[in-house]
Amino acid sequence: TQLLEQSPQFLSIQEGENLTVYCNSSSVFSSLQWYRQEPGEGPVLLVTVVTGGEVKKLKRLTFQFGDARKDSSLHITAAQPGDTGLYLCAGAKYGGSQGNLIFGKGTKLSVKP
Amino acid sequence: EPEVTQTPSHQVTQMGQEVILRCVPISNHLYFYWYRQILGQKVEFLVSFYNNEISEKSEIFDDQFSVERPDGSNFTLKIRSTKLEDSAMYFCASSEGQGGEKLFFGSGTQLSVL
Repeated sequence: TQLLEQSPQFLSIQEGENLTVYCNSSSVFSSLQWYRQEPGEGPVLLVTVVTGGEVKKLKRLTFQFGDARKDSSLHITAAQPGDTGLYLCAGAKYGGSQGNLIFGKGTKLSVKP
Repeated sequence: EPEVTQTPSHQVTQMGQEVILRCVPISNHLYFYWYRQILGQKVEFLVSFYNNEISEKSEIFDDQFSVERPDGSNFTLKIRSTKLEDSAMYFCASSEGQGGEKLFFGSGTQLSVL
C-alpha cells in the first residue's frame, strides 16, 4: 500500500515567519500535487510537480519534488494570516490513472497576526 | 471561473436506505471522479469514470456503490444500502484530460447515516 506521510501535522506560527511542510513516501509517484482545503470545502489545486528535482514557485510558495520522486516539500516565505488552512499533498501512482490520487493527512497551518 | 457543483450539500439518511449524490462536472471535462473523506481521515479515492464507463475503482468501491452519467451534464454516485461507516464527506472531481495534473473538486456532500 502506498502511503504519503505529511509533517508536521499542525503548525502554528507568527506572521512573517517562514515554514516548510514535508510530504514523504517510500514509494515512487509519477506526479505529486499540493492542495489547499478550507473547512467544508473541497481541495483546491495549488501545483503539480512531475519531474524529479522540479521546483515550482507560486508567489511566496515554493514546491519541490524530490530527485527520486518519493517526497516533496512546500516552503512558504513570510507567511501571512491568509495562508491559514489545511495543506494536502497527493501523489499519482505509477500504473494507475492519473486521477487516482493518494492523499496525505494534511498539515493544518495557522498563521497568527 | 467554471466549477464542479455538488448537491445536496448535506444528506441525512437511515441505515439501509439508498442515496444518490449528484455532481455537475465542468462542462468540457472528460474524466470524472468520486472521493470521500471520513471525518479526521485522509481523502480517499473511490472511482474514476471516462467514456461512460468505470476506468478504475478502489477497494472501497464495492457492489453497494455505482456511478452513472445519466445525461450530458450530471454524474451521480449511488449507495444502494447505506451503512453507518458510509458517513463521510463525498467529493466529486473532474479533469479535462487523463493527466490528473488538474483535478477540480466540488465542495462536497456531507452524508450522515443514522
